[in-house]
Amino acid sequence: KAGVTQTPRYLIKTRGQQVTLSCSPISGHRSVSWYQQTPGQGLQFLFEYFSETQRNKGNFPGRFSGRQFSNSRSEMNVSTLELGDSALYLCASRRDNSPLHFGNGTRLTVT
Amino acid sequence: QKEVEQDPGPLSVPEGAIVSLNCTYSNSAFQYFMWYRQYSRKGPELLMYTYSSGNKEDGRFTAQVDKSSKYISLFIRDSQPSDSATYLCAMSDLGGSQGNLIFGKGTKLSVKP
Repeated sequence: KAGVTQTPRYLIKTRGQQVTLSCSPISGHRSVSWYQQTPGQGLQFLFEYFSETQRNKGNFPGRFSGRQFSNSRSEMNVSTLELGDSALYLCASRRDNSPLHFGNGTRLTVT
Repeated sequence: QKEVEQDPGPLSVPEGAIVSLNCTYSNSAFQYFMWYRQYSRKGPELLMYTYSSGNKEDGRFTAQVDKSSKYISLFIRDSQPSDSATYLCAMSDLGGSQGNLIFGKGTKLSVKP
């Protein structure tokens, strides 16, 4: 069974630009969560989607947004990029009442 | 006080040693407890998943949860160089927030041959 797939693996963007990251969950998993991982703050929850609806949202500014499609695939978008947005962005999926399984992340560098 | 505290290490042990990794937490509503292992340039990989208090064993790994002390542990027996990674504890409360895990900062473990 394929794991969580995230694309692209690496991105370099300039301050002020926007970026879209993509995530394909494990087959049969309808819930998708996004996390930001930085050396200083560790893993921080961004949002969770289930059946195309945002179920939970973390404490991040409105520049961070996401969506889920009918096939459970998800995207997250960051607008007006700042240097502090440089991080590893992790997507995870799960079945109901089961733990999260993570992808290998997208490494975003903002210059 | 952070919700989840985890000693960042680094922790260096010889091959074959027993490793003990720990986290403390402050939110008594946490019911689900997980340990993830993260290798460099990879995403976190689920190692152990427990609900409420008690012990769970899987091969060389044992997870313990003591809700009265708000303390969880992961023990690794007969540690191997391939166990060298960062270990993250994570937890959540009941209900629909299981996709919203609270993580410790991770403990970096190095097992020397």
